[in-house]
Amino acid sequence: EAAVTQSPRNKVTVTGGNVTLSCRQTNSHNYMYWYRQDTGHGLRLIHYSYGAGNLQIGDVPDGYKATRTTQEDFFLLLELASPSQTSLYFCASSDRVVQAPLFGEGTRLSVL
Amino acid sequence: GEQVEQLPSILRVQERSSASINCTYENSASNYFPWYKQEPGENPKLIIDIRSNMERKQIQGLIVLLDKKAKRFSLHITDTQPADSAMYFCAAMGYQNFYFGKGTSLTVIP
Repeated sequence: EAAVTQSPRNKVTVTGGNVTLSCRQTNSHNYMYWYRQDTGHGLRLIHYSYGAGNLQIGDVPDGYKATRTTQEDFFLLLELASPSQTSLYFCASSDRVVQAPLFGEGTRLSVL
Repeated sequence: GEQVEQLPSILRVQERSSASINCTYENSASNYFPWYKQEPGENPKLIIDIRSNMERKQIQGLIVLLDKKAKRFSLHITDTQPADSAMYFCAAMGYQNFYFGKGTSLTVIP
């Protein structure tokens, strides 16, 4: 069964802290995405990738780095976390562009 | 980025009535439009989608309409039940990614 697994599920850090969110998909999908979800803003694209070693910038990339180390693994890095990055983060994957992304369970991040 | 406008943001309907959510998009090249349902504390899940070679698609009580000329698509939930209460998101395919509306919070009143 297709799956996208995110870790950790919850994370609390302090302002200026270093955070890495992990995402793994076992679906052999080419595309992987990082979104943040905030009330009143819906789902906003941070970064995405269409294969190992590839990275594309989304709509709200400031303060975030990402790396796609393998077909399966996509990481989101916050090197100097700020309270404005407190949010619910979703990773998603899809086989090709014209296929609805499959979402992971989400990571709730709080930056104090 | 691509703008997808979704209305209304809040929708309350009586059980067994219909609920309608409308979305508009900017990019005339968009050719794929999925809809997601998100229940509290869960991730968004695909419920229905439509491609640009179609004008209408129905899966049980869910109907999606697409008007490419107006760059508008809509979700209609017929015979609503309390279990339909959730957040709903529309999306439009961009160049290599998807742009989402801001969501509609649907409450079905028993």
